[in-house]
Amino acid sequence: AQSVTQLGSHVSVSEGALVLLRCNYSSSVPPYLFWYVQYPNQGLQLLLKYTSAATLVKGINGFEAEFKKSETSFHLTKPSAHMSDAAEYFCAVSDPGWGKLQFGAGTQVVVTP
Amino acid sequence: NAGVTQTPKFQVLKTGQSMTLQCAQDMNHEYMSWYRQDPGMGLRLIHYSVGAGITDQGEVPNGYNVSRSTTEDFPLRLLSAAPSQTSVYFCASSYRDEAFFGQGTRLTVV
Repeated sequence: AQSVTQLGSHVSVSEGALVLLRCNYSSSVPPYLFWYVQYPNQGLQLLLKYTSAATLVKGINGFEAEFKKSETSFHLTKPSAHMSDAAEYFCAVSDPGWGKLQFGAGTQVVVTP
Repeated sequence: NAGVTQTPKFQVLKTGQSMTLQCAQDMNHEYMSWYRQDPGMGLRLIHYSVGAGITDQGEVPNGYNVSRSTTEDFPLRLLSAAPSQTSVYFCASSYRDEAFFGQGTRLTVV
């Protein structure tokens, strides 16, 4: 069975500061990993995905994540937060090719001026 | 190109009523799924379909039915609404490993 743990349900960052959102997973097979962003009253938008190619994955809006098998982690980072980054972020895992996503509980990001 | 379209956007039901949440996609994806989103729980898979005529249960299927008669449509039926089904429902269609989500339906059961 797969599972995803996101550390911290709420994160507050200052504008211009580093954004770091933590995600750990468990999976019985090499997983595919995803980060999604949800803006208020909207659906989910894919930020980036890891599908067994390069372990450092670059996504949209300046975000990137690194797959670390030894730590079973897929943390999301952005060097400099912008006010428009305020949203909820979800980490998700799936078996390769299946399409069924197992989501973490989400991390709400607040950006302060 | 509309992507994934969900209707209605908002709905209030009384306990015991039934209704159908509609989901349509125009990307010719074989894989479609329904999730519910509850605070602090992320999104949980209700039902999914790997193609027309094929459906299966996800993590939280009780109280919901689905069918898939065409590639484009994947409706979710609530048979007898309960307050525990108050949630935001998302439909998604997938190609390879990328899921495309609709805008969601916010359902309140009173």
